[in-house]
Amino acid sequence: GESVGLHLPTLSVQEGDNSIINCAYSNSASDYFIWYKQESGKGPQFIIDIRSNMDKRQGQRVTVLLNKTVKHLSLQIAATQPGDSAVYFCAENMGSSNTGKLIFGQGTTLQVKP
Amino acid sequence: GAGVSQTPSNKVTEKGKYVELRCDPISGHTALYWYRQSLGQGPEFLIYFQGTGAADDSGLPNDRFFAVRPEGSVSTLKIQRTERGDSAVYLCASSLTRAGEAFFGQGTRLTVV
Repeated sequence: GESVGLHLPTLSVQEGDNSIINCAYSNSASDYFIWYKQESGKGPQFIIDIRSNMDKRQGQRVTVLLNKTVKHLSLQIAATQPGDSAVYFCAENMGSSNTGKLIFGQGTTLQVKP
Repeated sequence: GAGVSQTPSNKVTEKGKYVELRCDPISGHTALYWYRQSLGQGPEFLIYFQGTGAADDSGLPNDRFFAVRPEGSVSTLKIQRTERGDSAVYLCASSLTRAGEAFFGQGTRLTVV
């Protein structure tokens, strides 16, 4: 069925280190994936997206990798900063369908230690 | 520019009462979404509008929940006969295109007592 899950509920990293947050999805029909960052008391904030015809996309300090063979998505954050501390969600969308519905995972809490 | 605005930011209501939650999307965004987020969980899809019409309402949990977007801009989520299990943060998002980058509001925290 449709589900998006994250491997670890909490990730703790040292400031300046790289962070890798993982996500598994089960719907092979999904063709659009998004990473969101959510700080306490705020709505999710778009970080980066990737379509299924790509396997890697880079932004500013962030990289998303997509492995469709094993239905796995990851978010890499370079030189993690205290401001990166938040909950990170992956979300999937079946863009070929007639809906903009996003299916979210449960989230990974990223804690950055100074 | 202004982002997605949701009002009220907090709402406390008694069990059995009716509530309305309002969402003002980013100007020009034709797609609008409502999600519900319980503590420690990811947002859960409720309904999606493309223009004035509800293109997908498959996430509405039951017939106590209803949403409208009469002029293709502002949307209202309506909950009748509220139950304690309806307590959650209700998030609204909008985007330019159906599968485009969705911008979220800060949410309305609904507490049913």
